[in-house]
Amino acid sequence: EAGVVQSPRYKIIEKKQPVAFWCNPISGHNTLYWYRQNLGQGPELLIRYENEEAVDDSQLPKDRFSAERLKGVDSTLKIQPAELGDSAVYLCASNPPRHGGELFFGEGSRLTVL
Amino acid sequence: SQQGEEDPQALSIQEGENATMNCSYKTSINNLQWYRQNSGRGLVHLILIRSNEREKHSGRLRVTLDTSKKSSSLLITASRAADTASYFCATGLRYQLIWGAGTKLIIKP
Repeated sequence: EAGVVQSPRYKIIEKKQPVAFWCNPISGHNTLYWYRQNLGQGPELLIRYENEEAVDDSQLPKDRFSAERLKGVDSTLKIQPAELGDSAVYLCASNPPRHGGELFFGEGSRLTVL
Repeated sequence: SQQGEEDPQALSIQEGENATMNCSYKTSINNLQWYRQNSGRGLVHLILIRSNEREKHSGRLRVTLDTSKKSSSLLITASRAADTASYFCATGLRYQLIWGAGTKLIIKP
């Protein structure tokens, strides 16, 4: 069974440029999470989807961040414009319906903003 | 906001020794989970312990949970070089999962 797939793995951009990250969760996993992980820290939730509905986006900086999961499968996280402080690893995770709580993570997308 | 706090922040031991790391949290939980993260990789789930459980084993891993003290410990026995990684605890309540800053474990050959 394929795991959670994220791309790109690495991205280097100049500040004020846009960037997008893509995530394809494990088949059948209707809950999808985007996390941001700063160096030496644990993950911080940005947004959680149940199917195509964003059910928790309270921590998403909506002035510059947006996300979508149009058909309830894969998802895109966008930053526009990027700032120096956005440099981090963006992690996508998923889990199946009525699951006990274990999350399945992708390898992450490491963003460097210069 | 981070609820879990791991202790120690870093731990360096010889291969074959046991490694113990601790996690403290602040509010009520449904479960507590431990994850491993190798450098530059995603997180991998290790073990989940529910709030009504006190101890759980999985291979060389042993997790304890003391809800009265709001703390948990992860014991890795007979450590191996491949155990070198960061270990995170995450506390679960309903659909929320809140993470600590992790313990960086180094196993010296």
